[in-house]
Amino acid sequence: DADVTQTPRNRITKTGKRIMLECSQTKGHDRMYWYRQDPGLGLRLIYYSFDVKDINKGEISDGYSVSRQAQAKFSLSLESAIPNQTALYFCATSVGTSIEQYFGPGTRLTVT
Amino acid sequence: AQSVTQLDSHVSVSEGTPVLLRCNYSSSYSPSLFWYVQHPNKGLQLLLKYTSAATLVKGINGFEAEFKKSETSFHLTKPSAHMSDAAEYFCVVSVRTGGFKTIFGAGTRLFVKA
Repeated sequence: DADVTQTPRNRITKTGKRIMLECSQTKGHDRMYWYRQDPGLGLRLIYYSFDVKDINKGEISDGYSVSRQAQAKFSLSLESAIPNQTALYFCATSVGTSIEQYFGPGTRLTVT
Repeated sequence: AQSVTQLDSHVSVSEGTPVLLRCNYSSSYSPSLFWYVQHPNKGLQLLLKYTSAATLVKGINGFEAEFKKSETSFHLTKPSAHMSDAAEYFCVVSVRTGGFKTIFGAGTRLFVKA
């Protein structure tokens, strides 16, 4: 869905490096989310934001931080990447009280 | 607490035969339930959703699901599988009461044989 974009789409980095994943949306949604997907575990919520001034930890926030620079932008940072953060990362959006989420295409991150 | 269990990690069907992907849930509150599909190297796409209206929900591409509260189930079905249905399917439960909570099932990979 081109309405939610993620950059980069693929990234290989080394242990200990800082890395940022970016998410932008043109849907005008106020709520944004970061998930990671691991085989056999489904998607797990890392952080979510209901508006620019609202940031909340999800199920697995340790080792991650986020920044909501604008309503349309939500970045995920790994301050010091480690190999078990190798995963597929998805950004998602939703609007108001609707629970339905719209997903970006994903970023495949490999930490060596 | 909320949880989702997808009862099969893999399902294999022949083209033209019915599809059944099973999902059980538990929730302390009235849940909203979703099925998403993920094709290889793609993001997740919403197939259908249940939000306390009709218990039989119709989605895209001929899929439907029935919310059965007594069985705490939300199984996904399709009368006739197509090769393009081969993908991974996720059952999701969301609640808004007592905060925000969305739980994804582990996924079921559907294989469709010619």
